[in-house]
Amino acid sequence: DVVMTQSPLSLPVTLGQPASISCRSSQSLVNSDGNTYLNWFQQRPGQSPRRLIYQVSYRDSGVPDRFSGSGSGTDFTLKISRVEAEDVGVYYCMQGVHWPWTFGQGTRVEFK
Amino acid sequence: EVQLVESGGGLVQPEGSLRLSCAASGFLFSSNWMSWARQAPGKGLEWVAIINQDGSQKYYVDSVKGRFTISRDNAKNSLYLQINSLRGDDTALYYCARNVGAGTVDQWGQGTLVIVSA
Repeated sequence: DVVMTQSPLSLPVTLGQPASISCRSSQSLVNSDGNTYLNWFQQRPGQSPRRLIYQVSYRDSGVPDRFSGSGSGTDFTLKISRVEAEDVGVYYCMQGVHWPWTFGQGTRVEFK
Repeated sequence: EVQLVESGGGLVQPEGSLRLSCAASGFLFSSNWMSWARQAPGKGLEWVAIINQDGSQKYYVDSVKGRFTISRDNAKNSLYLQINSLRGDDTALYYCARNVGAGTVDQWGQGTLVIVSA
């Protein structure tokens, strides 16, 4: 199975400051169709996961533009330009190229 | 509005069985692959199974092969997960999710909790 490794696993943040989460895969996430199926999900406390980003950098409708995704091949990053109170939760990267699809361990974002 | 509503979870003894259901609404259910994923208490997310539009293709994570069966009824806009020979490590919140395009899901239900305990 493809192993997705996130860092850090815990991210203390300050309101209004930037934050960044790294995700590395054990295999390339470039599919045979040329697309890279790397997603980012946010899970707020007590809620179901919510997709933020798909195909590395495409932001879902309704997702604030302070969230951005980047990367290629096996190295990916989720950035929050200015953290807001509602951003607290756990963030997961997920690959959708190789079955079984796999998630990273999750990064817990919480205020200092 | 897309809605996915899971049901069927509960407390079950080891080696027992349950049938989870997911009622879909707000979209053309028969047009989408669908998935089940799970999350053990306080833990991360894990894909369990995935099924194509007409049910002819099904894929499972190794840990549930031979014990879990994913199915769907497009006439009823419903997705199912038959889970047999339950073990303690199957204790989790089970989510259904809608697949869109390739390699992703865009909507999740609220989950149904399965607890395996004697």
